[in-house]
Amino acid sequence: DAKTTQPPSMDCAEGRAANLPCNHSTISGNEYVYWYRQIHSQGPQYIIHGLKNNETNEMASLIITEDRKSSTLILPHATLRDTAVYYCIVRASGSARQLTFGSGTQLTVLP
Amino acid sequence: GAVVSQHPSWVICKSGTSVKIECRSLDFQATTMFWYRQFPKQSLMLMATSNEGSKATYEQGVEKDKFLINHASLTLSTLTVTSAHPEDSSFYICSARSPEGSNTEAFFGQGTRLTVV
Repeated sequence: DAKTTQPPSMDCAEGRAANLPCNHSTISGNEYVYWYRQIHSQGPQYIIHGLKNNETNEMASLIITEDRKSSTLILPHATLRDTAVYYCIVRASGSARQLTFGSGTQLTVLP
Repeated sequence: GAVVSQHPSWVICKSGTSVKIECRSLDFQATTMFWYRQFPKQSLMLMATSNEGSKATYEQGVEKDKFLINHASLTLSTLTVTSAHPEDSSFYICSARSPEGSNTEAFFGQGTRLTVV
């Protein structure tokens, strides 16, 4: 699976959009981009995933660049409960292997 | 989404004793479950892959005789930490993927905080 690079930490004001970047320059054609988050002392929570088209669900939007070498997770209206470590993971389709977690981005939503 | 439940959510045990952690997929059948360990301020590290009806596959450096994994049914995997020592204190998390579809997301349990005293 391709390696990902994320900033170690970010702050965001409550009510504002949080934009979390992820670089995955070695991604291959059959690899999806997954985003998970982990609130302190809890298990990771699935947020969203995509292949090449932008995706949106009730939690967030995922913007993937045309060359697929980077992506951005957008939380449109961040709340204090969105404070967590956000993990960007690249994974091949059809893979039964485990998810490999990097160090992620610690997002702190400030009041 | 699907639910994966871990039990207990926290446990304190004495050195030398064994502790069993259960991981259940509540509304789907999981042929494969994964066990992770997470130390403070670190990311999740895979310990082993648990396959229903067969032996688990352990990552390098993880002692299979110390961390016993049993995956006897499609909805239950257990991790037993045998002869626990203080250095085994950690946050243990299980994960399961639904076998339906090739791109389904993985679902995680809420984690088990183990403290060995």
